[in-house]
Amino acid sequence: EPEVTQTPSHQVTQMGQEVILRCVPISNHLYFYWYRQILGQKVEFLVSFYNNEISEKSEIFDDQFSVERPDGSNFTLKIRSTKLEDSAMYFCASRELFDSNNEKLFFGSGTQLSVL
Amino acid sequence: AQTVTQSQPEMSVQEAETVTLSCTYDTSESDYYLFWYKQPPSRQMILVIRQEAYKQQNATENRFSVNFQKAAKSFSLKISDSQLGDAAMYFCAYRRQTTSGTYKYIFGTGTRLKVLA
Repeated sequence: EPEVTQTPSHQVTQMGQEVILRCVPISNHLYFYWYRQILGQKVEFLVSFYNNEISEKSEIFDDQFSVERPDGSNFTLKIRSTKLEDSAMYFCASRELFDSNNEKLFFGSGTQLSVL
Repeated sequence: AQTVTQSQPEMSVQEAETVTLSCTYDTSESDYYLFWYKQPPSRQMILVIRQEAYKQQNATENRFSVNFQKAAKSFSLKISDSQLGDAAMYFCAYRRQTTSGTYKYIFGTGTRLKVLA
């Protein structure tokens, strides 16, 4: 089965530094998402992206966050100035244009971000 | 606002037995999708089963089945003949259409399932 790929698997950074989390969605997928999960807690929606623009974002996704699809294959999440509370597992997900027979999100294996 | 509630933070089941995980949701929409995702220790989310709201028949996937009660907004997952590999965090999720015409998936807080040998 095709996979969503995320790199790196672990990222350690100092508070205030910028980080970029990278994702390669499945090639024919058109919708992209970032979610995060603080250890042991719920999976929280951050942002969705379609047709080269943000389609929806949560209140977590403030002006410190940005997303980009720079080259038609990668989908990145940037945090400009990391805070301690940004420490979490970040999941990228993608899905096809609507296909009722295969409606689901495909998730990557996540990037564990640790802010020190 | 759409919410998804999983009231069981943790459940245990004996190997080969059956367990049911509960999920309720709140929505004003009439057509939507519901999902159960499994998150094993590797932490990658894997789809277990999905249900489209307009279909009255409960979805089944091998040992996994759902009890979808649309009027009650309830969507429980039944795992039959539980196996050690079923041990994981299980998330209930709801898909709704956004104002921009795309889709957003809302997850519950999860239920940790332990399978006892």
